[in-house]
Amino acid sequence: KAGVTQTPRYLIKTRGQQVTLSCSPISGHRSVSWYQQTPGQGLQFLFEYFSETQRNKGNFPGRFSGRQFSNSRSEMNVSTLELGDSALYLCASSSSPATEAFFGQGTRLTVV
Amino acid sequence: GQQLNQSPQSMFIQEGEDVSMNCTSSSIFNTWLWYKQDPGEGPVLLIALYKAGELTSNGRLTAQFGITRKDSFLNISASIPSDVGIYFCAGQLMEYGNKLVFGAGTILRVKS
Repeated sequence: KAGVTQTPRYLIKTRGQQVTLSCSPISGHRSVSWYQQTPGQGLQFLFEYFSETQRNKGNFPGRFSGRQFSNSRSEMNVSTLELGDSALYLCASSSSPATEAFFGQGTRLTVV
Repeated sequence: GQQLNQSPQSMFIQEGEDVSMNCTSSSIFNTWLWYKQDPGEGPVLLIALYKAGELTSNGRLTAQFGITRKDSFLNISASIPSDVGIYFCAGQLMEYGNKLVFGAGTILRVKS
């Protein structure tokens, strides 16, 4: 069974630009969560999607948004990028809410 | 908000030694998870705990879900060089679906 796939692995963007990150969950998993990992703040929850609906949202500004498609694949978007958005963005997939979460390798975003 | 206190922050191991780390919280969790993260990779799930008092093993790893549901520990027996990495505890509350609250991590390094 393939694991969680995140694309791209690395991204460099300029301040003010926007970016879209993609996550394909484990086959059969319907829940996808997103996390931001930085040296200063650690792993912080962004949002969770289940059956195309956002179930939970973390304390991030509205510039961070996401969506989930009918095939459970998910995307997250960050608009008007700031230097502080530089981080490793991780996607986790679960078969359903409140079950074990399996992470992808992450997308390393650098904002310059 | 919910916070997890993970200790120790870092430790040096000698091959063959047993290692112990723990997490405490001011909040009750339904699930405790332990992950290991290698540089440039996403966290890998090691052990999941679902019941207060539960003791679960995965090879040389043993973890327990505290009776009060506010703490958990992870033991690694007879450590080997590939145990080096960052270990994270994470708590999950059913009401919040798959939102995970993470500890700051324990960095395991090898004594030279």
